[in-house]
Amino acid sequence: GIQVEQSPPDLILQEGANSTLRCNFSDSVNNLQWFHQNPWGQLINLFYIPSGTKQNGRLSATTVATERYSLLYISSSQTTDSGVYFCAVHHGSSNTGKLIFGQGTTLQVKP
Amino acid sequence: NAGVTQTPKFQVLKTGQSMTLQCAQDMNHEYMSWYRQDPGMGLRLIHYSVGAGITDQGEVPNGYNVSRSTTEDFPLRLLSAAPSQTSVYFCASRAGTSGGGLAKNIQYFGAGTRLSVL
Repeated sequence: GIQVEQSPPDLILQEGANSTLRCNFSDSVNNLQWFHQNPWGQLINLFYIPSGTKQNGRLSATTVATERYSLLYISSSQTTDSGVYFCAVHHGSSNTGKLIFGQGTTLQVKP
Repeated sequence: NAGVTQTPKFQVLKTGQSMTLQCAQDMNHEYMSWYRQDPGMGLRLIHYSVGAGITDQGEVPNGYNVSRSTTEDFPLRLLSAAPSQTSVYFCASRAGTSGGGLAKNIQYFGAGTRLSVL
């Protein structure tokens, strides 16, 4: 099956710093989403981005489908950005919502 | 809209007991799925459904059963709980083909059920 690898596994930042999280996938995808899991465990969708670039406030994401990777950019980080960031993909002929998750990047933003 | 609602939030079972984790969504979503999250392993798909009466297996289906008698509900049954099933369980839903625009691709998650099997 398709493999999803995220890097780095852990990241510690000072408040105000910028960061880039990476997601590599081993096959073509027709669905790629980035999620944030907050310290209370809630999973929130950040981006649906199978290709191209999107921005939402301090967050932006870029997926280069032909090269099989996606990047999540966090600018001017805040303590509320702390948590685990997951990349999830779907591969196959029917886009049924069967997402395969990477192992996540754990981000800690220090005040 | 309440979104995706999971009950219970916490549960402790003894080995061999059975139980049902409940999941309901009020967004009229076609697609629903169950994941388990274990430390250091991300989320793994257990079972999924593309509509009422239609279910299929994911990556780790053994020891779990599902059914989808209505669009709104997608319960997950543990037949005979084992310590290896200690995990956090998440239910998710997505609009599917009936939704409009890009929103139909976005997956919404419940708050999770933390299960311990002793």
